[in-house]
Amino acid sequence: DVKVTQSSRYLVKRTGEKVFLECVQDMDHENMFWYRQDPGLGLRLIYFSYDVKMKEKGDIPEGYSVSREKKERFSLILESASTNQTSMYLCASSLGTSGYNEQFFGPGTRLTVL
Amino acid sequence: ILNVEQSPQSLHVQEGDSTNFTCSFPSSNFYALHWYRWETAKSPEALFVMTLNGDEKKKGRISATLNTKEGYSYLYIKGSQPEDSATYLCAFMDSNYQLIWGAGTKLIIKP
Repeated sequence: DVKVTQSSRYLVKRTGEKVFLECVQDMDHENMFWYRQDPGLGLRLIYFSYDVKMKEKGDIPEGYSVSREKKERFSLILESASTNQTSMYLCASSLGTSGYNEQFFGPGTRLTVL
Repeated sequence: ILNVEQSPQSLHVQEGDSTNFTCSFPSSNFYALHWYRWETAKSPEALFVMTLNGDEKKKGRISATLNTKEGYSYLYIKGSQPEDSATYLCAFMDSNYQLIWGAGTKLIIKP
C-alpha cells in the first residue's frame, strides 16, 4: 500500500515558535507538495519540490520554508509561527511531472497557533 | 487569476438517491482535471484524472464527465450510500502543470 505519512495529526504552538512539519513518502516519487486548507477555500500550494534539494515557491510561500535533503522526506518550516498560520496542512507526492499523475496525500496536520 | 468553482458547496442526499455536482474551470490552457474524495479524518484520494474533452470515467457507482470547451466537469454518484459521505474536490491543471483547487462539495448521505 502506497503511503504518505505526516509527523503529527494535531499540533498546538505559540506565536513566535519555530515549527517543523515532516512528511515522508514510501513510493519513490519525485514530486512532493505542501498545501494548506482553510474553510471555504481550495487547497493552496505553499511549496513544492521536483527533486532532492530542489524547491519551488507555490502561491503562498510567505512565512514558510522547506527542506528536501532526501527523496522521501519533505519538511515544512514555519520560522516564527503566527496566528494566521493556524490551518490544516497537507503533504502530497506524485510520480514524474505529468499532469496526468494523481497526487497521493498524507492525513494532514491540524496546526493551531495561539 | 485562475478560478475553479465547485457547486453546490454542500449537499444532503437520502441514501439510495443519485446525485451530481459540478466543477467549473477556465476553458483555456487546459491540461488535466482531477477529482478527489476526502473523507473525514482520512487522506484525500484520487478518483479520476481526466484529460480529453468528452471523456467519461467510471469507478463503481461514481462517474465523471468532462467538457473542456465550456469548462465544466460533472461528478455523478448513483444510489448513494453512507460511505459516499465526503468532501469531493476538483482541481484544474493548466499548461504550467500547477493544480488549482476548488473549495469542494461536501456530500452528506442521510440514512
